[in-house]
Amino acid sequence: NAGVTQTPKFRILKIGQSMTLQCTQDMNHNYMYWYRQDPGMGLKLIYYSVGAGITDKGEVPNGYNVSRSTTEDFPLRLELAAPSQTSVYFCASSYTHRVGGHGYTFGSGTRLTVV
Amino acid sequence: DQQVKQNSPSLSVQEGRISILNCDYTNSMFDYFLWYKKYPAEGPTFLISISSIKDKNEDGRFTVFLNKSAKHLSLHIVPSQPGDSAVYFCAASAAWINAGKSTFGDGTTLTVKP
Repeated sequence: NAGVTQTPKFRILKIGQSMTLQCTQDMNHNYMYWYRQDPGMGLKLIYYSVGAGITDKGEVPNGYNVSRSTTEDFPLRLELAAPSQTSVYFCASSYTHRVGGHGYTFGSGTRLTVV
Repeated sequence: DQQVKQNSPSLSVQEGRISILNCDYTNSMFDYFLWYKKYPAEGPTFLISISSIKDKNEDGRFTVFLNKSAKHLSLHIVPSQPGDSAVYFCAASAAWINAGKSTFGDGTTLTVKP
């Protein structure tokens, strides 16, 4: 039972480069989320999806794009990487939008450095 | 404006003693509160939650208390074990805030000394 799988685990990008962070879940969860965590800070929501074909912006969406073509996959695209996007990125999923007593299931994260 | 605040960045306790982690929130619309635990190089894992209709929820060594009038919740770990050393995040959600998605605090790093 893999849960939420994120790749790559680490990446160094040069300013202006682009990349896609991959996220896959095998729990048949409809709801998926992308968060970023800056040093000493909490998690900030970038984008979320309530099901295949439906995505919406979170708190900090600028500089990112997402797509959700299947229930399992929710990739995050960085276009024109900037140093401000240096962070740890977490993908999460849940079976209900109102997490209530169950919480999110998180992946292990992607540590991205933009130089 | 940070709606969920964890004012103590770190906490150190002795093994076997009680650990108390605190969290304050500003928005009275929040109706579910959760605690996550995070080890280095791993994603957060869900630990325990509490609904706003309750004031206490227990799960083994972990108890969460909610004081709605003070907009304050706390996580008690008794007894604390070295394996509890991690970053603990408080989170809150409400149906009418951000479509029910969770808002996180900045975390408290707990160190349990043997």
